[in-house]
Amino acid sequence: GAVVSQHPSRVICKSGTSVKIECRSLDFQATTMFWYRQFPKQSLMLMATSNEGSKATYEQGVEKDKFLINHASLTLSTLTVTSAHPEDSSFYICSARDERIGEQYFGPGTRLTVT
Amino acid sequence: LAKTTQPISMDSYEGQEVNITCSHNNIATNDYITWYQQFPSQGPRFIIQGYKTKVTNEVASLFIPADRKSSTLSLPRVSLSDTAVYYCLVGTYNTDKLIFGTGTRLQVFP
Repeated sequence: GAVVSQHPSRVICKSGTSVKIECRSLDFQATTMFWYRQFPKQSLMLMATSNEGSKATYEQGVEKDKFLINHASLTLSTLTVTSAHPEDSSFYICSARDERIGEQYFGPGTRLTVT
Repeated sequence: LAKTTQPISMDSYEGQEVNITCSHNNIATNDYITWYQQFPSQGPRFIIQGYKTKVTNEVASLFIPADRKSSTLSLPRVSLSDTAVYYCLVGTYNTDKLIFGTGTRLQVFP
């Protein structure tokens, strides 16, 4: 099946720094990718829809200036958490839609810990 | 997007059949029903998708009644490795963003 990768798988950063997370579709092109956040014992919460070549669409309550999304190619979307704080510590998951078959594939997730 | 309702948790024993029901009363005509499985610290994994009646694959079966206001994921003869959270989602094929509900936490005991 199609594969979506994320890098890094886990990252620890200091409060106030920025962290970039990459999401790649490995064997298909994806004009649309999605970014989710998941806190312990909770469901996935959609943060934003990443559109190749255009601005991302953010869900209500998600700060677009804090969570910068870039979808510069058909196989790569990046999420940058700017000026990270401990409350940003979470599990970040991306997904990519293979529009040929309409299926959405999820990445393995990135564990962010802000100290 | 149709909202879904699932039991928060279920317990089972190895070898039993597990049925998880999802309610989606506001499902639209063009919506499909998709189930995902998630293990701790991993991304969700696609299990099965259907539109109506019954769909079966090597992992599970999906039963959808005629009114499509609910669906049931059936896992035959579960094993310990089936312990996970199962999410039911509805959305228009190939166009909608996926909004996750609470999911059902399945615990399989030996």
